[in-house]
Amino acid sequence: AQKITQTQPGMFVQEKEAVTLDCTYDTSDQSYGLFWYKQPSSGEMIFLIYQGSYDEQNATEGRYSLNFQKARKSANLVISASQLGDSAMYFCAMRHFNKFYFGSGTKLNVKP
Amino acid sequence: SAVISQKPSRDICQRGTSLTIQCQVDSQVTMMFWYRQQPGQSLTLIATANQGSEATYESGFVIDKFPISRPNLTFSTLTVSNMSPEDSSIYLCSVGDPTGELFFGEGSRLTVL
Repeated sequence: AQKITQTQPGMFVQEKEAVTLDCTYDTSDQSYGLFWYKQPSSGEMIFLIYQGSYDEQNATEGRYSLNFQKARKSANLVISASQLGDSAMYFCAMRHFNKFYFGSGTKLNVKP
Repeated sequence: SAVISQKPSRDICQRGTSLTIQCQVDSQVTMMFWYRQQPGQSLTLIATANQGSEATYESGFVIDKFPISRPNLTFSTLTVSNMSPEDSSIYLCSVGDPTGELFFGEGSRLTVL
């Protein structure tokens, strides 16, 4: 069975600082995809970044980067230069074949 | 990426009634999914909506409680039947694109009294 673990229910970060949100996954397959989504209080799910299991380089999208350590089965999200608008829930997800499995989420609060 | 519209965006319903949520996509998509997010929880896949055939339900979800229609490649509905307060959740329609990414509609926030 596929499993995604986010061990940080809540995180605080000072505005303009960087923050790392942890995610570990469990799968016996070689082919999978890892995703991060942001969910503001409005409830919509916003796609942030993707990493394929065969990608050798860590994915980056603007202020977001994914620290992919395949041997450790971790896919941590790094947000650089945090902004107040980054305050939201963040979900790590894994795609296995056509299904997506989500972690329990991390609530990030950015302090001014 | 596909643009996904969901209706209603929110509703308050009485126990024992049913509500149908609509999901419209601006392009034809093969993979279409329905998720539930209970208060303070993560997303749980309810079912995969298959065009022209019965939906494929995940463990713990049944067709009688969550009937799904998918008449074409751009539209699907999810009905929450005989609602109870435990059905209060955000229901999210999502589509998978050929690159493997998953995109979501705005969600339908349902409160059952």
